[in-house]
Amino acid sequence: GENVEQHPSTLSVQEGDSAVIKCTYSDSASNYFPWYKQELGKGPQLIIDIRSNVGEKKDQRIAVTLNKTAKHFSLHITETQPEDSAVYFCAASKPNDYKLSFGAGTTVTVRA
Amino acid sequence: EAEVAQSPRYKITEKSQAVAFWCDPISGHATLYWYRQILGQGPELLVQFQDESVVDDSQLPKDRFSAERLKGVDSTLKIQPAELGDSAMYLCASSLLRGDRAFSVYYEQYFGPGTRLTVT
Repeated sequence: GENVEQHPSTLSVQEGDSAVIKCTYSDSASNYFPWYKQELGKGPQLIIDIRSNVGEKKDQRIAVTLNKTAKHFSLHITETQPEDSAVYFCAASKPNDYKLSFGAGTTVTVRA
Repeated sequence: EAEVAQSPRYKITEKSQAVAFWCDPISGHATLYWYRQILGQGPELLVQFQDESVVDDSQLPKDRFSAERLKGVDSTLKIQPAELGDSAMYLCASSLLRGDRAFSVYYEQYFGPGTRLTVT
């Protein structure tokens, strides 16, 4: 099955700086890569996703990049704010497959 | 904005007791999932429904867990008897089937707030 590895497990950044989280996947057939943000005591919230037919996608302060050759994708958060503090999960799925394989999560702390 | 609803939000139960969780997916979402999330880990799929039918329950511990979605809308997950190791967050998600001619089908999943279960 698909194996998704996520790094780092914790990330502390100064407010206003950028944060980058990286994930690698094992199955080259995977083609859909969502990112979720989970705040304490809440369910994961879909914040951005990318499909394998594009290399980059941006939505305001967040962006995701995908390198299919290297089988890795990254989440970039610019101009971080205290409300960006949360656990972020990457995930991957294969074509026509409902199953999402999740990374272990990255705890992001934005220092004021 | 439409959301997945879950109840209760928190549940404390003694081991060997029965416990049930309820989920109401986003209206129009035919696919519903139950996940278990252990503290510090990502969600793990327990069971997936397409309408009222179970599509995948390979990771569901069937000796004690059961799930149903009788009318293809809301769903219930039950544990009987609960064990100490069942303490976790139980998440429900629903999804919209997306795809186009240039790209294969994929499932955009939306999660509910979860039920935090503590077994004592």
